[in-house]
Order: sequence, then C-alpha cells, then structure tokens
Amino acid sequence: EVQLVESGGGLVQPGGSLRLSCVASGFTSTGFWMSWVRQAPGKGLEWVANIKPDGSGKYYVDSVRARFTISRDNAKNSLYLQMNSLRAEDTATYFCARIFCGTGGCYYDYWGQGILVTVSP
Amino acid sequence: DIQMTQTPSSLSASVGDRVTITCRASQGINIYLAWFQQKPGKAPKSLIYAASSLHSGVPSRFSGSGSGTDFTLTITSLQPEDSATYYCQQYTSYPYTFGQGTKLEIK
Repeated sequence: EVQLVESGGGLVQPGGSLRLSCVASGFTSTGFWMSWVRQAPGKGLEWVANIKPDGSGKYYVDSVRARFTISRDNAKNSLYLQMNSLRAEDTATYFCARIFCGTGGCYYDYWGQGILVTVSP
Repeated sequence: DIQMTQTPSSLSASVGDRVTITCRASQGINIYLAWFQQKPGKAPKSLIYAASSLHSGVPSRFSGSGSGTDFTLTITSLQPEDSATYYCQQYTSYPYTFGQGTKLEIK
C-alpha cells in the first residue's frame, strides 16, 4: 500500500525557516517525480514544487522560488521542502504527492495527509 | 500561466441525481487535465487523469470528458459520500494550476 507521511510543520515567525519531510512507503521513490502542493486555510489548492526522480530537475511556483528548496533522498525514500524567509501568506497545509508518468502524461496519483505550517509573530 | 475556471462554484443536488461540473482552461491543454475530490480536513483524492481515465478504485459513476480548453466531470446516481469539493488541474505546463473548486452539497 502506497503511503506518504509528512512531518516538520508547526508555528514559525515571519522571516523564519522550516523543513518539511515526507516519507514514502509501499513503493520505490526512485521511479517517480514527487511534488509539494499547499492549501491556505479555507482556500483552494496551489502547486508549490516538483522534483525529478533523480533530483536533477526542480520546478517552483514563482511565489516561492529563491525561498523554498525541494530535495529528495531516494536511499531514505524521502522528500523534503526547505522553506526560508517565510511569510504570513505561506501559512497553509502542505501536501506531499506522488506523480505517475504514463501514456496520460505525468499526473498526481497518491497524496499524503498534509501538514500545517503557520507563519505568525 | 494557464488559468483554470470551474463552474459552478457550488451546487446542491439530491441522492440519485446526475451532476456536471465544468472546467475551462485559458489556453489549450490537450487532455492533460485531472480531477480531485477533497473532503473537509482531508487530503485530495485523485479521481480522473488524462481528462477521462479513472484512477483505480474510483466508482464508475464518476466520468470525465473533454479536450483542448473545455472539460467536464460528471457524477451519475449521486451518493451521500460524494459531498465534497472538486478541483480540476492542468498538468501540461508549469506552473501546474488548479481550478478554484466546486463545492457539492447533497440535499
């Protein structure tokens, strides 16, 4: 059974840093793109970042580029999101998601339960 | 960026009804369109990919159609557990973008 479990969230002051982790089980992460998606309280879904299976390619939404870094450790089946210079508008539940690539393109198939990040004084 | 617009923003329907949610892309996205279901306090659940392909385990009362800029999610024979917010998402180019969501209430 595929499982994605996020950790590392919490309350942080504006300008602070936080590192989210996502541990995958039930599959070997080396074969898959991985992603972070966030959802501000009461709002819709927003894509944050993607990373290639071997970590060689990383893609970000403009609002987090240069502040957030996506990375992975395939030996540990883990995905990370280093978040620096945090702002109030980064307050959200952050979801880790797996991307499956096939004949229908590269699309989300499995999601973690999410972890809340609150940026507040 | 490709803008995704869902209509309606909310709807109310009865058990057994057929409902349709529309998603329009601001430019052509071929068939690279996904649909998700999200219940309060829960993670999104992947329903449909490539506009019309159902993920494993998704009930057959869910179906998707469309290509280019106009897409629909249809739920036939609505069930109480279908009460949720539904999102479309394009994955043809970065940044991936989602529709604003459609909240479905079961009367």
